[in-house]
Amino acid sequence: DAKTTQPNSMESNEEEPVHLPCNHSTISGTDYIHWYRQLPSQGPEYVIHGLTSNVNNRMASLAIAEDRKSSTLILHRATLRDAAVYYCILRDPRAGKSTFGDGTTLTVKP
Amino acid sequence: GAVVSQHPSWVICKSGTSVKIECRSLDFQATTMFWYRQFPKQSLMLMATSNEGSKATYEQGVEKDKFLINHASLTLSTLTVTSAHPEDSSFYICSASKASANTGELFFGEGSRLTVL
Repeated sequence: DAKTTQPNSMESNEEEPVHLPCNHSTISGTDYIHWYRQLPSQGPEYVIHGLTSNVNNRMASLAIAEDRKSSTLILHRATLRDAAVYYCILRDPRAGKSTFGDGTTLTVKP
Repeated sequence: GAVVSQHPSWVICKSGTSVKIECRSLDFQATTMFWYRQFPKQSLMLMATSNEGSKATYEQGVEKDKFLINHASLTLSTLTVTSAHPEDSSFYICSASKASANTGELFFGEGSRLTVL
């Protein structure tokens, strides 16, 4: 499995944008970049995914570097409910399993 | 959207007993389901990959005779923790990917918290 590295923790103020980075220097051409988040005592929740182009959905935006070796999850206006552990993983649909790294714990201050 | 449901959401059992956890994809077919365990303040650790109609593939260090996985249909996978001990207490999570998907999006269950006394 290709590995990802993320900062252990980040802080943000409520209603401010948050940029969560992820490095994946060994990404292969068929890997999709996926982001999930996990609230305490819950299963992870899908946030967004992309392959090469930047992506937007109702939850967040995903900016992918041109060389695909890094990406950034962007929460445009953080709310208290966005406080969670955010995981960036690589998914090759043909290969099946994916390994989760330690993720980034996002704290949102009111 | 795609929904994955786990049952039970929490269970307490005595040491030496067996516990079964179910993982169902409610509105899609999942040829592959994954089982994870998670200890407090740690990340998800993949235990095994469950394929419909075939034997599960276990990760290194996971005892297949202790953690029995059955994937009898395209919507149901079960994890049975046999002869449970206190060290098996953990948060168990399943995920599934759609058989028809081409991007590998994972849908996760709510998790099942096991406490072994």
